[in-house]
Amino acid sequence: GESVGLHLPTLSVQEGDNSIINCAYSNSASDYFIWYKQESGKGPQFIIDIRSNMDKRQGQRVTVLLNKTVKHLSLQIAATQPGDSAVYFCAENSSYKLIFGSGTRLLVRP
Amino acid sequence: DTAVSQTPKYLVTQMGNDKSIKCEQNLGHDTMYWYKQDSKKFLKIMFSYNNKELIINETVPNRFSPKSPDKAHLNLHINSLELGDSAVYFCASSQDPAGYSNQPQHFGDGTRLSIL
Repeated sequence: GESVGLHLPTLSVQEGDNSIINCAYSNSASDYFIWYKQESGKGPQFIIDIRSNMDKRQGQRVTVLLNKTVKHLSLQIAATQPGDSAVYFCAENSSYKLIFGSGTRLLVRP
Repeated sequence: DTAVSQTPKYLVTQMGNDKSIKCEQNLGHDTMYWYKQDSKKFLKIMFSYNNKELIINETVPNRFSPKSPDKAHLNLHINSLELGDSAVYFCASSQDPAGYSNQPQHFGDGTRLSIL
């Protein structure tokens, strides 16, 4: 089954701090993972991706870590800004479909 | 330029009606998708088309009928709307189907469907 929760967890951080958003995925055969950001009234927006042959990938202010042993993915956002406030989803490529996690709401306190 | 565009953005209608949502992508992608996002923000694939051919149908009720007139368009027609159909419907596209090559999908901004 999917790594789905019935509630939307919320992470509240102070502006300027680092944020870490975690995700558990379900299929050990999944070979590609994506993080999306969804702002209110908008569609999911691609942030960063990682293939299963890597354990870390860095972008601008964002880093994705992949731990295949425990089927865990994390998104680190450095120096979090108010514009980072959104719902963040991880997604795994499994059985020729993208399976989305349940999402985490990130709130940035000024 | 909007890469994946959906119309309408909002759709309010009564139970039992038939409605359509349209999607167009200008990215030159071969694959398009429809997703449903419920009130808890859970996002789930409904359909996937590659080069106008249906490749994924996630046991969606047959009241939902997608149509792809060409690679750049994927429409969704819904018959006999029910209360449970209330959700946000997202269209997405990618160059190849998920799993064929590792590329992200690009999403439109959604159509919020409300059934009265």
